[in-house]
Amino acid sequence: EVQLLESGGGLVQPGGSLRLSCAASGFTFNTFAMSWVRQAPGKGPEWVSTISASGGSTFYADSLKGRFTISRDNSKSTLYLQMNSLRAEDTAIYYCAQVTSPNWFDSWGQGTLVTVSS
Amino acid sequence: EIVMTQSPATLSVSPGERATLSCRASQSVSSNLAWYQQKPGQAPRVLIYDAFTRATGIPARFSGSGSGTEFTLTISSLQSEDFAVYYCQQYNNWPLTFGGGTKVGIK
Repeated sequence: EVQLLESGGGLVQPGGSLRLSCAASGFTFNTFAMSWVRQAPGKGPEWVSTISASGGSTFYADSLKGRFTISRDNSKSTLYLQMNSLRAEDTAIYYCAQVTSPNWFDSWGQGTLVTVSS
Repeated sequence: EIVMTQSPATLSVSPGERATLSCRASQSVSSNLAWYQQKPGQAPRVLIYDAFTRATGIPARFSGSGSGTEFTLTISSLQSEDFAVYYCQQYNNWPLTFGGGTKVGIK
């Protein structure tokens, strides 16, 4: 059974940073692309970023480029999202998701809440 | 960016009735479209991918159709557990984009 467990969310001040982690199990992690998808309160999902299985290719939502960095450690079956210069509009539940080719989301974690507020 | 527009925003249906949800893309996405179901406090769950292929474990009462810019999700006979919010997502082009959702409620 695929399991994705996010962590690292919390309350951060505007301009601050957070690093989210997603521990994966139940599948061969290094053969799947992975993504982060966020959902602001009362809103629909918003794709954030995708990283290829090897980590050699990354893709970002245009609005986030330069502030967020996706990475992975295949030896630890863990996905990361480094978030810098956080803004109030980044407040959301952040989900990690297993990507099935070409690019739909087969399995999702339970999410971690990021709140950006002073 | 491809904009996905879902209609209606809210749909009230009686148990046992059919529900028809629409999703329109601002440009062609071929058949690269998925549908997700989300219940309160839960992550989305994939129902349909490649426009009409049911994901593993999804009941046959869920069906998807369409290609290009017009897509439909049909729930043939609504069960109590189907009352939820439904989202479409295109994966034909970067950035990947979702629709705004259709909330299916009890009539």
